[in-house]
Amino acid sequence: EAQVTQNPRYLITVTGKKLTVTCSQNMNHEYMSWYRQDPGLGLRQIYYSMNVEVTDKGDVPEGYKVSRKEKRNFPLILESPSPNQTSLYFCASSTKQGWDEKLFFGSGTQLSVL
Amino acid sequence: AQSVSQHNHHVILSEAASLELGCNYSYGGTVNLFWYVQYPGQHLQLLLKYFSGDPLVKGIKGFEAEFIKSKFSFNLRKPSVQWSDTAEYFCAVNAQGTYKYIFGTGTRLKVLA
Repeated sequence: EAQVTQNPRYLITVTGKKLTVTCSQNMNHEYMSWYRQDPGLGLRQIYYSMNVEVTDKGDVPEGYKVSRKEKRNFPLILESPSPNQTSLYFCASSTKQGWDEKLFFGSGTQLSVL
Repeated sequence: AQSVSQHNHHVILSEAASLELGCNYSYGGTVNLFWYVQYPGQHLQLLLKYFSGDPLVKGIKGFEAEFIKSKFSFNLRKPSVQWSDTAEYFCAVNAQGTYKYIFGTGTRLKVLA
C-alpha cells in the first residue's frame, strides 16, 4: 500500500531535549516536505526536499533541521525544542510536478514541548 | 509576499444545501492550485487541482472548483452537500517549477444531518 509513515504519533518532551520525528515513504517520490499545523494558521511549510541531498527552507524553518540521505526518508530534527514548537506536524511526499502531482500526507505527529 | 486567503473559517450547512468556499491567492507568477480535505481522523488528501486548461475542474465526491485568473480566485463548490462532507478544507498554491507550497488557514465545514 502506498503510504507516508511518520513516527511517533504523539510526543511529549521538555524544552531543550533534542528530538527527531521520522518520515518514510514507499512510493519512490523525489519530493518530500514537512509542515506544521496550528489553529488559525493552517499548514505552514517548514522544509522541503527535491531529491537526495537537496533541501530548501519553507516559510517557517527556524528551530528545525532536516536531512535527506536516502530517497525514502526525510527526518525532522528539533535540536533544542521550545514551547512555541508545540504543534501538529505532517510529512508529505509527491512525484515531480506534472499532471499527476499530488501530495501524500502522513498521519501526523502531535508534539507538545513543556 | 505569497499568500492564500480562505474567507470562511467555519461553515455550518444542512444536508442538501449548496456549498461554496472561497479561496484567493496572492502570487506574481504562474501557479498550480489545489484543494485538500481532511476528514475527521484521516490523512489530508487531494480533492482536486488546476494546472492549466479548462478553468473549471472537477474532483472527487462531486466537488468542483473554478479558477478565475483575473480575480486570483479558486473557489470550491458542491451543489448538494452530505453529512459525510464534514471535514476541514484547505486551499493551496505552488508556483510552477517550484515545490514551495502555500496553504490557506482552512475552512471547517460541518454538515448537519
